[in-house]
Amino acid sequence: DQQVKQNSPSLSVQEGRISILNCDYTNSMFDYFLWYKKYPAEGPTFLISISSIKDKNEDGRFTVFLNKSAKHLSLHIVPSQPGDSAVYFCAASGSSNTGKLIFGQGTTLQVKP
Amino acid sequence: NAGVMQNPRHLVRRRGQEARLRCSPMKGHSHVYWYRQLPEEGLKFMVYLQKENIIDESGMPKERFSAEFPKEGPSILRIQQVVRGDSAAYFCASSPDLRGLGSEAFFGQGTRLTVV
Repeated sequence: DQQVKQNSPSLSVQEGRISILNCDYTNSMFDYFLWYKKYPAEGPTFLISISSIKDKNEDGRFTVFLNKSAKHLSLHIVPSQPGDSAVYFCAASGSSNTGKLIFGQGTTLQVKP
Repeated sequence: NAGVMQNPRHLVRRRGQEARLRCSPMKGHSHVYWYRQLPEEGLKFMVYLQKENIIDESGMPKERFSAEFPKEGPSILRIQQVVRGDSAAYFCASSPDLRGLGSEAFFGQGTRLTVV
């Protein structure tokens, strides 16, 4: 039962263009969503998050959009840089507040110079 | 301030042996989470511990797996009688408080367990 899904295993964009990574979820009890970035042989690094009471959160080049009715969120990176090449995981948490995160399968982003 | 430290980074075990994975949380963090990443998959929650207490172990397999976070020392994830399917990357995260999410939770570099 995959409650958080990232349907695109990979994405390739040109440097300077926008990268859009998508994530869908099925559990309407999720109230907090996060994006993590992961390089090979390293642990995930927190990027940005959004609470279910908002529909947008921006931090520098990174913006997360949440569409609750569609149970969909997306991460926009603009402009994309070669250093952004990594695996991006979307994660969700419910109101149980235990810190338990449900992760998607990840999307590998390649930014070409 | 050192980050979350996991050791060993790589661990090779033969089928039937025991694997012990260690996690030292960041200084001041009393909440520890263990996640497992199987090849080509996302991270799967295993267990959430506070000092001397297991808070949520809903992701732990019922047999062979156990976790502890003693009053002194690192958190230990123990896998008894390992099988090839246990081969994965095991990540530990720590946080200073209950919520433990977002910018407050930091992951270690992981232990890559290979069962041969």
